[in-house]
Amino acid sequence: NFMLTQPHSVSESPGKTVTISCTRSSGSIGSNYVQWYEQRPGSAPTIVIYEDNQRPSGVPSRFSGSIDRSSNSASLTISGLKTEDEADYYCQSYASTYPHVVFGGGTKLTVL
Amino acid sequence: QVQLQQSGPGLVKPSQTLSLTCAISGDSVSSNIVTWNWIRQSPSRGLEWLGRTYYRSKWYNDYAVSVKSRMTINPDTTKNQFSLQLNFVTPEDTAVYYCARTPPGGLYAFHMWGPGTMVTVSS
Repeated sequence: NFMLTQPHSVSESPGKTVTISCTRSSGSIGSNYVQWYEQRPGSAPTIVIYEDNQRPSGVPSRFSGSIDRSSNSASLTISGLKTEDEADYYCQSYASTYPHVVFGGGTKLTVL
Repeated sequence: QVQLQQSGPGLVKPSQTLSLTCAISGDSVSSNIVTWNWIRQSPSRGLEWLGRTYYRSKWYNDYAVSVKSRMTINPDTTKNQFSLQLNFVTPEDTAVYYCARTPPGGLYAFHMWGPGTMVTVSS
């Protein structure tokens, strides 16, 4: 099994751009799609990126996803930060050999 | 519009069985293009996928290794819902439990989530 490691927290100012990383411990980041979820206090997670870089309908284009095979990591980038983006963000992937789903530990984004 | 509504007790005694139900509206538990999942979240374990049920000409169930020996997911086509049973619970099973659906044609992205049920394991 592999792990997905995220920074515990990041902070940035409104209007700026922030990138949250998600590093896979073993196996290639490109082997299986990565998803990203946003979670506000008291609410269920909502998906903001699926299949590495796809945005569900209704998610602003300010949200984008990518993978970097050289660092074996995925990234969520939020541009034009708004105070409403303040939330916890989780990456998620899976293993092909068994229906094994892995979540990252989450990153708390503060917009101040 | 698909909606998931969860129900079940918020308090379970140690060694007993945790039972939760996820009622589906706007879709069918028998759909052959989506999967129906249970995920939990606790401060100590973070988000943890527990298992899924899905129909592809017949019913399939998959479980996380961590709970496989204690967990059962059952679809109920008459009520259009699916349930979770977790046996022999301990305080470590205290968590918010979510049901979730994958998108048509997808297996591992959770596009739709229930509101969550906080379950405490305590005597």
